[in-house]
Parts: sequence; C-alpha cells; structure tokens
Amino acid sequence: EDQVTQSPEALRLQEGESSSLNCSYTVSGLRGLFWYRQDPGKGPEFLFTLYSAGEEKEKERLKATLTKKESFLHITAPKPEDSATYLCAVQARRAAGNKLTFGGGTRVLVKP
Amino acid sequence: GAVVSQHPSWVICKSGTSVKIECRSLDFQATTMFWYRQFPKQSLMLMATSNEGSKATYEQGVEKDKFLINHASLTLSTLTVTSAHPEDSSFYICSARVSGRYEQYFGPGTRLTVT
Repeated sequence: EDQVTQSPEALRLQEGESSSLNCSYTVSGLRGLFWYRQDPGKGPEFLFTLYSAGEEKEKERLKATLTKKESFLHITAPKPEDSATYLCAVQARRAAGNKLTFGGGTRVLVKP
Repeated sequence: GAVVSQHPSWVICKSGTSVKIECRSLDFQATTMFWYRQFPKQSLMLMATSNEGSKATYEQGVEKDKFLINHASLTLSTLTVTSAHPEDSSFYICSARVSGRYEQYFGPGTRLTVT
C-alpha cells in the first residue's frame, strides 16, 4: 500500500528564517510526486510535480527536491504570506484512476 | 490556466434533504474528476473518481447510494449528498485532471453543514 508521511506536522518560523519540510514516501513504482499549498477554507493550490530522483523545481521562495525515498520543500527567507498547509502526494504508476495518495500535511506559520 | 470552480461555496441544509454540489473545469476539458472530503485539520480523503460518460468508482467505505456522482460532460461533475445527516457535514473538494498530465487541479471547496 502506498504511504506518505510528512514532517513536521507544524512549523513556526520567523520571517526570513529558511527551513525545509520533509515528505517520505513508499510506493511501488513512482509516477509522480506532487506538492500543494492549502490556505484555510480553500482547496489545494498546485505547486510542483517531480518525476524522478534528482529532479528539482523552483517557484519564488519555494524549491522542491526528490530522492528515491523522500522529497523536501525548502522555503527560503519566508514571508508571512507563505503561511499555509503544505501537502505532499504521490501517484503510483499502477494507480487505479490516476488517484493521489496524500500525506497529512505540514502547517507552516511565518511570523513577521 | 487549469481553473476549477465549485458551486455553491457553502450550503446549510436540514437533515433528510439532498444537496447537489457542482464542479466545473473552466478552461480545459477534464476526462477525470475526483471528489474529496476533508475534516478539520486533516488531510484530504478521496471519495470517488469519475470519468466522463461512465459510472464513478468509489473508494472503500464510501456509500455510493448516498453520494451520487454524475460526470455528464468534459467540464462538469456533480456530487449529490442524498438524505443528508449531521455527520455528513464536512468540506467537500473536487479536482480535475488535464488529459495527458498527471497533476490534479482543485476547486475552492464547498462547506456543507447539515442541521
């Protein structure tokens, strides 16, 4: 069974204090790993797709990396508007209906 | 691009009534749409996968007679909660997949409260 574990569950940062979120996964044949951002009371917003180990993607202050067992989301010099829950999800090559398996998320709070 | 809308954004209904939630892909055709449920401070729980023109595939433990899903066109899927009860109160979110790509794009969600 595919599994995704995110750590830490919650992260409090000062503005400008860089940090990393971890997403560990177990999947039989990874098709893709996805990062989303979710604000309270809203649907998740797509950030990145990573397909193979060694791949990196960047968007503004966010950078996602992928190894064979985990992915990291690095937040560089965060601002208060980066406060959100960050969700990681995987899709197995054999996933019926292309469905995603989500982790529990990391709630990030950036204080000014 | 890849914008998904949901309507309504929130709804309050009485126990025993039915509620319909619409999910639309605004700028792309979605052969596959997904319906999720999310409880406070928890992650998303997939309820069902729907493909245009065919019956939805429900996840284990989801009552298909209670949560009716229709995917009649490439831009519209609907979720009907039949005979709603207070325990059905939740945040329902749909997503859609662009043909040929693997990521899902999510709608803004619908907050359902059953009194």
